[in-house]
Amino acid sequence: DAGVIQSPRHEVTEMGQEVTLRCKPISGHDYLFWYRQTMMRGLELLIYFNNNVPIDDSGMPEDRFSAKMPNASFSTLKIQPSEPRDSAVYFCASSLRPITDTQYFGPGTRLTVL
Amino acid sequence: TQLLEQSPQFLSIQEGENLTVYCNSSSVFSSLQWYRQEPGEGPVLLVTVVTGGEVKKLKRLTFQFGDARKDSSLHITAAQPGDTGLYLCAGADFNSGYALNFGKGTSLLVTP
Repeated sequence: DAGVIQSPRHEVTEMGQEVTLRCKPISGHDYLFWYRQTMMRGLELLIYFNNNVPIDDSGMPEDRFSAKMPNASFSTLKIQPSEPRDSAVYFCASSLRPITDTQYFGPGTRLTVL
Repeated sequence: TQLLEQSPQFLSIQEGENLTVYCNSSSVFSSLQWYRQEPGEGPVLLVTVVTGGEVKKLKRLTFQFGDARKDSSLHITAAQPGDTGLYLCAGADFNSGYALNFGKGTSLLVTP
């Protein structure tokens, strides 16, 4: 398996623009997680899905952020409108089962909002 | 949100030295995981501990979960340059759902 795939790897955009990050989890994994990593706040969970259904989105910073999982092999994280404080590395991870099971992380998308 | 404090924040040592990094919280966790992250990549799971007092060894790495399940340590013996990276601990409370709370990490640099 190719592992978790994220695209794009790097995104540079201007404030106010819409940004869409994409993730393809490992086939057969029931759980998908979106994280954001910054120097100041470390790695934060934004939202996670179980069998394509959002379970906990309490980590989503505000209404500008939205995430979808239309099927078992694809998820998106959208920011509209983007702001400079959204600049971070965004990771997608998937696992067979939660908590004690291994979460496999993608390589991340480095987002820079000017 | 259960906070995990990691120390030290940065550590620079020479090849062959031993080191210990710590992960502490005031909260009790059902399980605790350690990850290593290299620049430009996502974190990779090293170990999961679930029992208070548990000790796990992975080659030169020794992981310990505190008796009260509030803290953990990672000890590396005879560090090598390949050990360089960001070490993250992550705790979960089964009673609070399936979210992992991550510490900010210890950045380790091992020089030849």
